[in-house]
Amino acid sequence: GIQVEQSPPDLILQEGANSTLRCNFSDSVNNLQWFHQNPWGQLINLFYIPSGTKQNGRLSATTVATERYSLLYISSSQTTDSGVYFCAVDPYGNNRLAFGKGNQVVVIP
Amino acid sequence: EAGVAQSPRYKIIEKRQSVAFWCNPISGHATLYWYQQILGQGPKLLIQFQNNGVVDDSQLPKDRFSAERLKGVDSTLKIQPAKLEDSAVYLCASRPTGTGWETQYFGPGTRLLVL
Repeated sequence: GIQVEQSPPDLILQEGANSTLRCNFSDSVNNLQWFHQNPWGQLINLFYIPSGTKQNGRLSATTVATERYSLLYISSSQTTDSGVYFCAVDPYGNNRLAFGKGNQVVVIP
Repeated sequence: EAGVAQSPRYKIIEKRQSVAFWCNPISGHATLYWYQQILGQGPKLLIQFQNNGVVDDSQLPKDRFSAERLKGVDSTLKIQPAKLEDSAVYLCASRPTGTGWETQYFGPGTRLLVL
């Protein structure tokens, strides 16, 4: 099956700092999403981004489908950004997602 | 709009016992998923339902896991008998069925510990 690799696995940020999370995938995909899992376990969709760039407040994402990677940018990080960020891909366009192992982010005040 | 509901939130059992989890999806969502999330890993899809029919259960360990969605709304996932390696968070998700893209909405999960 498709491989989804995320880096870095763990990241500690000072509040106000910027960061970039990376997702590499081994095959072409129809759908790519970024999710945030808060410390209480709730998973929330951040972006649907099979290609191109999108922004939502302090978060933005870019996917370069031809090179099989996606980036999630966090600017001016806040403690509420703490949690695990997951990249998930849908290789076949059937809405069955394959998740990476995640990027654990801790933002300290 | 109410979100995806799951119960129980926590369960501790001994190996070889059986356990069942319940999920109530968002009203009107035809597609329902069960995922297993082991500590330190991303969610892994176990089974996908469309209304009351199974669309994909290729990653469900059918010797011990079973799932049903009899009336096309609520769903239950059962493990019988449980093994130590089944300790994980079991997530339920639902999505509406449409012609375009729709995200999956996740419930809070059930944390299972097998001793």
